[in-house]
Amino acid sequence: SYVLTQPPSVSVAPGKTATITCEGDQIGRKSVHWYQQRPGQAPVLVVYDDNDRPSGIPERFSGSNSGNTATLTISRVEVGDEADYYCQAWDSDSDHVVFGGGTKLTAL
Amino acid sequence: QQQLVESGGGVVQPGKSLRLSCGASGFTFSRYGMNWVRQAPGKGLEWVAVISYDGGDKYYADSVRGRFTISRDNSNNTLYLQMNSLREDDTAMFYCAKARVQLATVAGYDAFEIWGQGTLVTVSS
Repeated sequence: SYVLTQPPSVSVAPGKTATITCEGDQIGRKSVHWYQQRPGQAPVLVVYDDNDRPSGIPERFSGSNSGNTATLTISRVEVGDEADYYCQAWDSDSDHVVFGGGTKLTAL
Repeated sequence: QQQLVESGGGVVQPGKSLRLSCGASGFTFSRYGMNWVRQAPGKGLEWVAVISYDGGDKYYADSVRGRFTISRDNSNNTLYLQMNSLREDDTAMFYCAKARVQLATVAGYDAFEIWGQGTLVTVSS
């Protein structure tokens, strides 16, 4: 089965840039989506189709995808960005939706 | 405003059944694929099942195939998840989620644009 691997945690100082990776075999050939989940809340879509933002999501959130790594980049990190972030893709070989294990972003 | 509201969660004994519902409003429900996603306490997101906009295609995670059934009633804007033979490791918050693109040919390919607030299922003796 297809596996997406994320680092468990990422720490960054407020105002700096956070980079969260999502690794998978030839993930660059898939469309990758990213979600933010704050404690006690439902997930929120922040990037879809590798690098598009839903309305209402700040431009500070961006994505890229190539080779075996997809990346979510958060510029000018704010304390309010602290959350768990998950990548997601569709595995057409198994007809399964796959989520990464999630990355906890800490702004300190 | 697009909204999803889950219901039907609760405490159930191992081996028993439960049916979850997800009521949709604010969009044309019959034009969008829908998903169930769960999250065990303190754990990450786990996809459970997807159903196409017309109910013709359904796919399941290996962990629930043969025990869970996803269905929809487009006339009543409601998504369902019938869960049978529940196990303690099914304990989780269950979310329903709407696909972003309408009339998608591949039900699970798309991003999950709108999520409900979840309903908690606890399987315990």
